[in-house]
Amino acid sequence: ILNVEQSPQSLHVQEGDSTNFTCSFPSSNFYALHWYRWETAKSPEALFVMTLNGDEKKKGRISATLNTKEGYSYLYIKGSQPEDSATYLCAFNAGNNRKLIWGLGTSLAVNP
Amino acid sequence: GAGVSQSPSNKVTEKGKDVELRCDPISGHTALYWYRQSLGQGLEFLIYFQGNSAPDKSGLPSDRFSAERTGGSVSTLTIQRTQQEDSAVYLCASSLVAGGQSQQYFGPGTRLTVT
Repeated sequence: ILNVEQSPQSLHVQEGDSTNFTCSFPSSNFYALHWYRWETAKSPEALFVMTLNGDEKKKGRISATLNTKEGYSYLYIKGSQPEDSATYLCAFNAGNNRKLIWGLGTSLAVNP
Repeated sequence: GAGVSQSPSNKVTEKGKDVELRCDPISGHTALYWYRQSLGQGLEFLIYFQGNSAPDKSGLPSDRFSAERTGGSVSTLTIQRTQQEDSAVYLCASSLVAGGQSQQYFGPGTRLTVT
């Protein structure tokens, strides 16, 4: 059974803090790892699609790293802002079988 | 251009009734996916379409669930004889092509409540 785990489940930080969270996935048969951001009352929005071991991607203050050999990805947010408050989801794809296996997400709340 | 749209945004129905949920993908996207998120659960894959065909229906929870896509565009997800456990947010996503590396673009979802 393929399982994707995210930690922590929820996180409260102050505006300006930097933070990071983890996505763990099976290390065998890796094909792709997706990060999405889901704000309340909005649609999930793609952040990154990562495919290669050692990949690092960046979008503004958000960056992500990928380790396929050990089966984890980190998402970093530098200088958190209240508008970063959302649930951050990762999803794993094995062997390009077209189906994404989703984690339960990390819920981030940034206090002004 | 326009994003993925879904209708209705909210649906309240009585147990035992049939419901139809609609998804309009981004124009030109050949792949379309249906997911649902029940309270406290992660996103659950239901079915995907490549064009009008559905190569993977493995996620449909029971034979009360069916989906179709016509003209390589609009898709409908039908739930017959709804049960309370069907209550969830149903999300549709589309991507340019079907593939594990293809970014998926999500609609706003339909919140289904079965009373």
